[in-house]
Amino acid sequence: QSVLTQPPSASGTPGQRVTISCSGSSSNIENNYVFWYQQLPGTAPKLLIYRNNQRPSGVPDRFSGSKSGTTASLSITGLRSEDEADYYCATWDNSLSGLFGGGTKLTVL
Amino acid sequence: QLQLQESGPGLVKPSETLSLTCAVSGGSISTNSHYWGWIRQPPGKGLEWIGSVSYSGKTYYKTSLKSRVTISVDTSKERFSLNVNPVTASDTGVYYCASAVDHLLQLHSWGQGTLVTVSS
Repeated sequence: QSVLTQPPSASGTPGQRVTISCSGSSSNIENNYVFWYQQLPGTAPKLLIYRNNQRPSGVPDRFSGSKSGTTASLSITGLRSEDEADYYCATWDNSLSGLFGGGTKLTVL
Repeated sequence: QLQLQESGPGLVKPSETLSLTCAVSGGSISTNSHYWGWIRQPPGKGLEWIGSVSYSGKTYYKTSLKSRVTISVDTSKERFSLNVNPVTASDTGVYYCASAVDHLLQLHSWGQGTLVTVSS
């Protein structure tokens, strides 16, 4: 069981907005940057959001990140079929270790 | 564009050493502010950060793996390596190497991953 808690699954229909949460604690999320990764089936993860809310070049602005206290969130607006993937949050822990959330499988209905 | 490629045995016996290498191309491994990391994924499960190394050789390890893991960098060969010793069946999974910029978890470039099975 991961120290960072994500819902195991999420779903939405095309065009909808979906939000995935990542819950941690004061020793990780609250005082450190949060990163989000997208992993399409059978491929390596891809950086989606860095430093809580920054998008690398090439990532559509449909993807956005936010953080409040010990919880971070990834929002996807205008949901598309190609967004169907696993999503992971990641952050640093004050025990000097990197952490990934357990992952959320997003289904586009 | 930075490219990373993992290589190493796909099968390792329990209690032995898992050794993987990541070759870096399209950029220099000696770039300041870059970190070179390893992440693994057990079959059907989530991602686990193993650790990272800077070009100068400074290492950072996941606390729970620290006693079994060594990550090193060879700047002359533009590659970095992972050793896990001793291994058990729970070390089975896809191992990814990746490049981080400015922060250990800001992993911009990834290798395709290599499956390592621990079995006798």
